[in-house]
Amino acid sequence: AQRVTQPEKLLSVFKGAPVELKCNYSYSGSPELFWYVQYSRQRLQLLLRHISRESIKGFTADLNKGETSFHLKKPFAQEEDSAMYYCALSYGRLATSGSRLTFGEGTQLTVNP
Amino acid sequence: EAGVTQFPSHSVIEKGQTVTLRCDPISGHDNLYWYRRVMGKEIKFLLHFVKESKQDESGMPNNRFLAERTGGTYSTLKVQPAELEDSGVYFCASSQGMAYNSPLHFGNGTRLTVT
Repeated sequence: AQRVTQPEKLLSVFKGAPVELKCNYSYSGSPELFWYVQYSRQRLQLLLRHISRESIKGFTADLNKGETSFHLKKPFAQEEDSAMYYCALSYGRLATSGSRLTFGEGTQLTVNP
Repeated sequence: EAGVTQFPSHSVIEKGQTVTLRCDPISGHDNLYWYRRVMGKEIKFLLHFVKESKQDESGMPNNRFLAERTGGTYSTLKVQPAELEDSGVYFCASSQGMAYNSPLHFGNGTRLTVT
C-alpha cells in the first residue's frame, strides 16, 4: 500500500536560513508527488508538483526515486513561509486511483525573525 | 472565481446525533473529493465523485457515512449516528481533471466535534 512519511512534525528555522522539509514515500508504481501548504487561517493549497519541475515562492522539490524521497527545499527562509506543509502522493495515471491523494501527517514550519 | 465553499464551518453535536456537511465546488469542476483529518493524524481520502457518480468510495470508514452529489453540483456528507471518533476536520476539494495532473482546490473545511 502507498504511504507518505514526513518525519518532522515541527521545524523551526531563522529567517534567511536554508530549510528542508523531508518527505519519503512508499509506492511500487510511478507516483506523482505534490507539496500542499496551509497558511494560518487560509485553505489548503497546492504549492508545487514534481511533474512541473517548477520553483514556487523559492521552493523546489526533486523526486529521488532511488531514495523514494521528495524533500522540499528553500535556500533562504522568509517569515511568511511559516505554515503547515503536506507532502502528498497520487497513484499517477491509474484510471481511478489517480484521483486520490495520500497525504503525510504534515510539518509545521516556523520561521523566526 | 468563487472558491470551494463548505458549510457549516463548525459543528458540535452529541454522540448519536446526525450531522450533514455541505460542499459547493468550483463551478465547472466535475471532480469532487471529501477528505478528513482526525486529530493528530494525516489527511485521509474519503471518496471521489465525478459529476454525480461515485468514482471511488474506498476511503469511507463505515456505513454511518453517506455522501451524495445529486445533479452533479454540490455534495453532502451525512454522518448518522455520529460517534466520538468522527470528530475532526472534513475537507472538500474539487478539480477539473484527475488529481495527478490537476490541482485540487480545497475548501476551508468543517470542524466537527462529537461530544
